[in-house]
Amino acid sequence: EVQLVESGGGLVQPGRSLKLSCAASGFTFSNYGMHWIRQAPTKGLEWVASISPSGGSTYYRDSVKGRFTISRDNAKSTLYLQMDSLRSEDTATYYCATDRGAGVMDAWGQGASVTVSS
Amino acid sequence: DIQMTQSPASLSASLGETVTIECRASEDIYNGLAWYQQKPGKSPQLLIYNANSLHTGVPSRFSGSGSGTQYSLKINSLQSEDVASYFCQQYYDYPPWTFGGGTKLELK
Repeated sequence: EVQLVESGGGLVQPGRSLKLSCAASGFTFSNYGMHWIRQAPTKGLEWVASISPSGGSTYYRDSVKGRFTISRDNAKSTLYLQMDSLRSEDTATYYCATDRGAGVMDAWGQGASVTVSS
Repeated sequence: DIQMTQSPASLSASLGETVTIECRASEDIYNGLAWYQQKPGKSPQLLIYNANSLHTGVPSRFSGSGSGTQYSLKINSLQSEDVASYFCQQYYDYPPWTFGGGTKLELK
């Protein structure tokens, strides 16, 4: 059974950093692209960043470029999202998701809550 | 970027009823469309991909259709467990992958 477990969320002040992790199990992690998607309170879904199976290609939405870094450790079957220079508008639940191909997100974690506030 | 517009934003229906949710893309996405269901307090789950292919384990009362810029999700014989928010997502042209604003389905 595919399992994705996010961790690392919390309350952080504007301008500070936070690193999310997504531990994967139940599938061959190194074969799949991965995504981070976020959802602000009572709002819709917003794609944040993606990474290829090898980690050689990464993609970001414009509003997080230069501030967020997606990475992966295939030996540990773990996906990461390093978030720097956090802003209040980054407040959201962050989900990791597997990519079954071309961006179809076929398995999602339970989410990690990030609150950016002073 | 391709914009995705969903309608309606909210919907109230009775048990056993047939429900249809619409999704319009700002340009042709050539069936590169997925639908997700998000139950209250839970993470999203894939329902349909390639506009009309049912994901493994999804009940057959769910179906997707459409082409070009217009797509729809239909739920036949609405069940109580279908109360959720539904989101469409395009993956024809990326990045960015973009989602519709969502449709909140409630029971009447």
